[in-house]
Amino acid sequence: EIVMTQSPATLSVSPGERATLSCRASQSISRNLAWYQQKPGQAPRLLMHTASTRATGIPARFSGSGSGTEFTLTISSLQSEDFAVYYCQQYNNWPPLTFGGGTKVEIK
Amino acid sequence: EVQLLDSGGGLVQPGGSLRLSCAASGFTFGDYDMDWVRQAPGKGLEWVSRISGRDGSTYYADSVKGRFTISRDNSKNTLYLQMSSLRAEDTAVYYCAKDRGPWQSRHFDYWGQGTLVTVSS
Repeated sequence: EIVMTQSPATLSVSPGERATLSCRASQSISRNLAWYQQKPGQAPRLLMHTASTRATGIPARFSGSGSGTEFTLTISSLQSEDFAVYYCQQYNNWPPLTFGGGTKVEIK
Repeated sequence: EVQLLDSGGGLVQPGGSLRLSCAASGFTFGDYDMDWVRQAPGKGLEWVSRISGRDGSTYYADSVKGRFTISRDNSKNTLYLQMSSLRAEDTAVYYCAKDRGPWQSRHFDYWGQGTLVTVSS
């Protein structure tokens, strides 16, 4: 099973600032990585797939990068609606499909 | 518009059974693999099970293998999760999720609203 590790667990950022979230895989997953955003009481929303391809309707301030075992999600200028929990998910080796533990982006 | 409506959750005693449903609309249901993903209270996401749209092949997390059964009725556009021998650690919000496609992308572009399963005596 591939273990996904996200860091930091919590990120405190001021509106308008840049946020950088990390996701590490326990072995190479090529670029088979997705990112999701989840707000309290809501289902997750797909932000990114194939490491760097934005899903339909996702603003350009969200960008993804990485391959192999190291991945990054960057939010270039945080808006109020971006404060949420973010999860990465690998889909290279399965079953099982595996998620990281999440990074909570909170207002500083 | 794609919609997924989860239902069937509730309070069940340890060792009991429950069947979850997910009613789908707005897309050709039979063309897509479908999954169940769960989230324990205050915790992260855990993949539970997948069923192929093409041939009905099924896959399970080790934590539920032998206890849960995923199925689908393409004529009713509905996904199911039959859960038996339930344990306290199965307590979670259960989401159905649609594979982005085409052909087993194995990540999810639409999710249901979730249904809460609580296993407790």
